[in-house]
Amino acid sequence: NAGVTQTPKFQVLKTGQSMTLQCAQDMNHEYMSWYRQDPGMGLRLIHYSVGAGITDQGEVPNGYNVSRSTTEDFPLRLLSAAPSQTSVYFCASRVGQSSYEQYFGPGTRLTVT
Amino acid sequence: GQSLEQPSEVTAVEGAIVQINCTYQTSGFYGLSWYQQHDGGAPTFLSYNALDGLEETGRFSSFLSRSDSYGYLLLQELQMKDSASYFCARDDKIIFGKGTRLHILP
Repeated sequence: NAGVTQTPKFQVLKTGQSMTLQCAQDMNHEYMSWYRQDPGMGLRLIHYSVGAGITDQGEVPNGYNVSRSTTEDFPLRLLSAAPSQTSVYFCASRVGQSSYEQYFGPGTRLTVT
Repeated sequence: GQSLEQPSEVTAVEGAIVQINCTYQTSGFYGLSWYQQHDGGAPTFLSYNALDGLEETGRFSSFLSRSDSYGYLLLQELQMKDSASYFCARDDKIIFGKGTRLHILP
């Protein structure tokens, strides 16, 4: 198993550009989440999904869209990048909503200039 | 609210025991998890408490008191490789605290 994979590892965007951060897992996990991590702020939940076709907002959803067309993939879209979105983005998955052991991908370091 | 409070930094000596505390707001509480994150790495799951009491996993233990809205992570026989950030997290959505950076002195 590859676990949770994320691409790209690093990305630089200009203000106003859009892009998609990719996340995939091969563990057949129902539950997937996106977090951003900024210095001194811990990990903040952006969006999550309890299964294919179902997504919901987390703590800081503005400026981001998600979709979950398959169990394996959970892409995060930045609609119009802003410098405030400079951060490290982590995707995570777990078996289901009642399972608390969450597996994280290696992260994507995004810089918006 | 769902906020969690942890100390921002803790320092301890190699071989010693250290406790990292976490307090949380009670609304909608389901359980408390702990994660470890080394610099440049991804968080990794350490333990989970849904009920009051102590959960032990090797050198690491986690405690929960729901009546006090309080939990802690206890690390024993500290090793230099335990230098990392530790996060408590709550609820079925897994909301994280801001993390505690653990410094270990030789």
